[in-house]
Amino acid sequence: DGGITQSPKYLFRKEGQNVTLSCEQNLNHDAMYWYRQDPGQGLRLIYYSQIVNDFQKGDIAEGYSVSREKKESFPLTVTSAQKNPTAFYLCASSMAGANTEAFFGQGTRLTVV
Amino acid sequence: AQSVTQLGSHVSVSEGALVLLRCNYSSSVPPYLFWYVQYPNQGLQLLLKYTSAATLVKGINGFEAEFKKSETSFHLTKPSAHMSDAAEYFCAVRYGGATNKLIFGTGTLLAVQP
Repeated sequence: DGGITQSPKYLFRKEGQNVTLSCEQNLNHDAMYWYRQDPGQGLRLIYYSQIVNDFQKGDIAEGYSVSREKKESFPLTVTSAQKNPTAFYLCASSMAGANTEAFFGQGTRLTVV
Repeated sequence: AQSVTQLGSHVSVSEGALVLLRCNYSSSVPPYLFWYVQYPNQGLQLLLKYTSAATLVKGINGFEAEFKKSETSFHLTKPSAHMSDAAEYFCAVRYGGATNKLIFGTGTLLAVQP
């Protein structure tokens, strides 16, 4: 089945540690996105990539980093510089056109302990 | 700045009643518009999208939305609510161009009372 796979579903991190969230898609989509979801704030864009080896900062990129070495993969690293990393993280992908919808993974819930 | 506004963070309706969830965008250039639904601890699922082919768009699960340029709105409706419609609903907008970002509203949590 085609789709987007995020792993792990739940992740616990100690303060001061970096952690990487995985996102893989087999939909042959060019564009991929990372969003952060907090209660009452909707989805806020962290980073997005429209093509391999290129990515742009979203609205809340500070404390996060990404790479896009393969079309299928767009991992997100939450660094120790992110002051409040506890949140639900969603990865999405879409075809290149503006009129195309995004498809979402099931999310990763990150908790700092 | 390009944005989308959802009025009402919480909406409660009775089963069988009309559902109306509001979405307004801020731009003089009509964007592409989307409605998504999210069930607890899950990803988002597309309900419908507006891509300028028709102003009244029908989606899954009996939902539809009407694009009104004069009101810069894209409100989501369903004639008769079902218990299974209880979820969070997000309106999203994309303007295309160089950035082609997909921007989401803050969401509306729909409760359906028996």
